[in-house]
Amino acid sequence: IAGITQAPTSQILAAGRRMTLRCTQDMRHNAMYWYRQDLGLGLRLIHYSNTAGTTGKGEVPDGYSVSRANTDDFPLTLASAVPSQTSVYFCASRDDLGGYTFGSGTRLTVV
Amino acid sequence: AQSVTQLGSHVSVSEGALVLLRCNYSSSVPPYLFWYVQYPNQGLQLLLKYTSAATLVKGINGFEAEFKKSETSFHLTKPSAHMSDAAEYFCAVSAYSGAGSYQLTFGKGTKLSVIP
Repeated sequence: IAGITQAPTSQILAAGRRMTLRCTQDMRHNAMYWYRQDLGLGLRLIHYSNTAGTTGKGEVPDGYSVSRANTDDFPLTLASAVPSQTSVYFCASRDDLGGYTFGSGTRLTVV
Repeated sequence: AQSVTQLGSHVSVSEGALVLLRCNYSSSVPPYLFWYVQYPNQGLQLLLKYTSAATLVKGINGFEAEFKKSETSFHLTKPSAHMSDAAEYFCAVSAYSGAGSYQLTFGKGTKLSVIP
């Protein structure tokens, strides 16, 4: 089934640890995005990539990094996790008709 | 830059009553507009989207929304609420932001409660 796969589904992480959230799509969409969802704040853009080899900062990029080595994969890395990064993370991609596909999310708890 | 304002973080309606969830946007370029629904502990599900065709957009589960450029609004309605409509609803705007980039910006969400 075409779509976006995120892993892990959920994770409890000790503060200070490094963590990579994985995102893979099989639709050959050029644009991909990472969002975090927090109660009362909706979804906020962390980083995006317009095409393989390029990335850009969104609204809340601090403490996060991304890479886009190929079209299919767009991992999000927390170099040194802090409790304020406890959130639900969604990966998304944009098709050529302007529609967006979202992954099922990763629930991350930093303790 | 673009932004979305959803009026009312929490809306309660009686079962069978009209559902009206308000969304206003700002965008300096023609936008695409979306409504998503999220049930507890689940991901986002697309309800409907406006992509510059008909201004009245019909979506799934009996929902519809009307794009009003003069009012910069995209309110979501359903004639008769059902218990299964209880969820959180997000309005979002997508517009070209330069350098080949499109950004999808979300409102803060409206939680809909349906009273039996």
